[in-house]
Amino acid sequence: SQKIEQNSEALNIQEGKTATLTCNYTNYSPAYLQWYRQDPGRGPVFLLLIRENEKEKRKERLKVTFDTTLKQSLFHITASQPADSATYLCALGPRSGGYNKLIFGAGTRLAVHP
Amino acid sequence: GAVVSQHPSRVICKSGTSVKIECRSLDFQATTMFWYRQFPKQSLMLMATSNEGSKATYEQGVEKDKFLINHASLTLSTLTVTSAHPEDSSFYICSARDSGTTGNQPQHFGDGTRLSIL
Repeated sequence: SQKIEQNSEALNIQEGKTATLTCNYTNYSPAYLQWYRQDPGRGPVFLLLIRENEKEKRKERLKVTFDTTLKQSLFHITASQPADSATYLCALGPRSGGYNKLIFGAGTRLAVHP
Repeated sequence: GAVVSQHPSRVICKSGTSVKIECRSLDFQATTMFWYRQFPKQSLMLMATSNEGSKATYEQGVEKDKFLINHASLTLSTLTVTSAHPEDSSFYICSARDSGTTGNQPQHFGDGTRLSIL
């Protein structure tokens, strides 16, 4: 069955540094991958989408890479701020059909310290 | 931006009560909505896919008679937890995709409903 792995331990970094979160998957070949941010007690908020034929995507301080050979996506936040502290979820998108059902990882909690 | 409103945000009720949760897309139409359940520090688990005007599609292991889904319009889906018991206590989240878009568009999430059954 499909499996998605995100670092279960919290990532603690200093303000201003670059945070790098990892999403690895097995037994799946997604057509695209999405990253979401989730704050405690709230629903996820969409951040970025990257397709299988794209190596890298950027949006302001965010950067996502997608390596279909390694079956891995990396999510970077540059010049991190305490307001970036949240849980970040990766989600795999199906190749076709299935109402575009996403498969979510458990998320990695990021804590940015002043 | 696309907004999904979920109501209520929190419910505390006695065992045996049925609880209805609403999910509305406020500024777009959604042919398809999704219902998830999330336990602490765990991933979103898809329960069912709600389709406007037709029966919902349930994931394996989800009791359709326990979790009733109705998607009567392009902007509203409801999830009713029937005869809720303490083990049904969880965080329920809905999401919707904009029917007016094509391709691999993101899902827009509501803010969830914290259900606590005593």
